[in-house]
This record gives sequence, structure tokens and C-alpha cells, in this order.
Amino acid sequence: TQLLEQSPQFLSIQEGENLTVYCNSSSVFSSLQWYRQEPGEGPVLLVTVVTGGEVKKLKRLTFQFGDARKDSSLHITAAQPGDTGLYLCAASNVGYSTLTFGKGTMLLVSP
Amino acid sequence: SQTIHQWPATLVQPVGSPLSLECTVEGTSNPNLYWYRQAAGRGLQLLFYSVGIGQISSEVPQNLSASRPQDRQFILSSKKLLLSDSGFYLCAWSLGLRNTEAFFGQGTRLTVV
Repeated sequence: TQLLEQSPQFLSIQEGENLTVYCNSSSVFSSLQWYRQEPGEGPVLLVTVVTGGEVKKLKRLTFQFGDARKDSSLHITAAQPGDTGLYLCAASNVGYSTLTFGKGTMLLVSP
Repeated sequence: SQTIHQWPATLVQPVGSPLSLECTVEGTSNPNLYWYRQAAGRGLQLLFYSVGIGQISSEVPQNLSASRPQDRQFILSSKKLLLSDSGFYLCAWSLGLRNTEAFFGQGTRLTVV
């Protein structure tokens, strides 16, 4: 069973600041996904990374998969209040039909 | 396009009462289906998953059960609810095979009193 550690657990920043959150494990993954969840709703898929060293950008969000495929980071530039939510990473391995989720980073962006 | 429906959105049930939560998916065939529980807005715990009709895998032994009577229908049940069953329940689907990208329903907030 893979264990995904997310840090920090909670982050409170002002609008316009930059931030990075992390997802780490001692295991190697075949793919890793990032989701964002707003209160009272289901998580929404943001991105999937599958290649070591891969970098994907989604507007102000930059996702990176570690070279060894054991860790990932999410960087947000010029955060906005609309970025507020719980950011979850999830990983899977070849041959498995299920995902393992981290406990998430709760981000609060204040105006 | 694919959509997932989960209901009800909120539910308050007394201890010892039965439970039935339903989830349906539209716009895809033979999806993998999942039930998760989320405590206090944190990480998701996988409860059950299904790769086909009548095929259910349980991840955590507990007071709950799941069934898949039709290809795109997934039901979470309990005969007698416990206080500890309270939580936010999420249904999700994925394409399966080698694609585990999950698409979630809106969730059900269950409070057992």
C-alpha cells in the first residue's frame, strides 16, 4: 500500500502571493493526479502526470512530477480567492484499478 | 459527455436504521465505479470498487456493503447504521483498464444521530 504525504496540511495566504504544495512517497508511481475540492462538493481532476520530470501548466498552476516518480509539486502563481480549496494528490500503479489519496492541503486565499 | 449523479445530497438517519445511497453514470459503458468516504474534509478512504456488474471489491471491513445491479449503477447500503458511519460519501467513476482518472459525484453528507 502506497502512503502519500502532503505538505503543508494547511496554508493561508494573501491574494497575489505564490505558493507550492508537495506530495511525497517512498514508493514509485506509474501516474499521479492532482484534484481540487471545494467544500460540500466532490473533487475535480486538475491534471495527470506520468513521466518522471514531467512539467504541466494549467493557467497559473504548474505541476511537476519528480524524476524518480516518487514525488510531485503544485505551484500556484499569483493566487486568487477562487483558488481556495482542498488540494489532493492521488497515485496509482500499473495493473491496479484504484487510487491512493493523500490527506490533502487546505488552501485559503484571502482578498 | 459523461455525467455522474449521486443522491441524496444530505441525509440524517437514526442509529440502527438502514441506508441506501445511489449513484448512476451516463455517457459511458463498463466504467469502474468507486465509493469513498471522507472525514472532516480530508483525505479519501476507498470503501468499495467495482470493475463490472456484480463484481464488488471491499477495501475496508465495516458496517457497509455495495452492489452493482446494472452497468452504470452503484449502490452503497447498510442494514443498521452506526454513529461512526457519519461522513461525506463520494461516488466516482473511471474508464478503467489503465486509466484511473476519477470523476466524482457531488457527494452525500450523512449524519447518523
